[in-house]
Amino acid sequence: EIVMTQSPATLSVSPGERVTLSCRASQSIISNLAWYQQKSGQTPRLLIYGASTRATGIPARFSGSGSGTEFTLTISSLQSEDFAVYYCQQYKIGVNFGQGTRLEIK
Amino acid sequence: QVQLQESGPGLVKPSETLSLTCIVSGSPITSYYWGWIRQPPGRGLEWIGYMYHTGSTNFNPSLKSRVTISIDTAKNQFSLTVNSVTAADTAVYYCASVGANYYFDYWGQGTLVTVSS
Repeated sequence: EIVMTQSPATLSVSPGERVTLSCRASQSIISNLAWYQQKSGQTPRLLIYGASTRATGIPARFSGSGSGTEFTLTISSLQSEDFAVYYCQQYKIGVNFGQGTRLEIK
Repeated sequence: QVQLQESGPGLVKPSETLSLTCIVSGSPITSYYWGWIRQPPGRGLEWIGYMYHTGSTNFNPSLKSRVTISIDTAKNQFSLTVNSVTAADTAVYYCASVGANYYFDYWGQGTLVTVSS
């Protein structure tokens, strides 16, 4: 099983700031990585797939990078609607989700 | 755009079988893989499995022995059954379409299933 580890667990940031979330895979997953956003009480939304491709309708302030075992999701300028939990997911072998990173208002 | 809607009982007794259905609109069910993900209250996402209409499947190894996914092409819907449920199976269950490389691009709104006597 591939274990996905996200860090940090919680991140306190101010609107307008640039933020980077990390996701590490226990073995190489090449670029088979997706990112999701889940707002409180809502359904997860696909943000990024293929490690760096934005899904349909996702604003350009969201960007993904990385390959192999180290990946990042960057939000260039946080908007109020971006405060949520973010999950990474590998799909190289089966499917595994990370435990999530919660973005909270500072 | 693909839309998905889960339905099924919100309460299941321990040791019994959980059964959910996902109705798909906006796409023929023969076009994609279709999957299930669950989320225990206050916790993260857990993949259950996915299936293609030809019968091709892939399941979470930790759940594989208790889970079945089936597809009804005539009704454009797919279903999940989980056998021998315990309190640990209490979760919001989501159905989703599976993108070209096994990420989940469209999700249902989710349905809470509680396992309790």
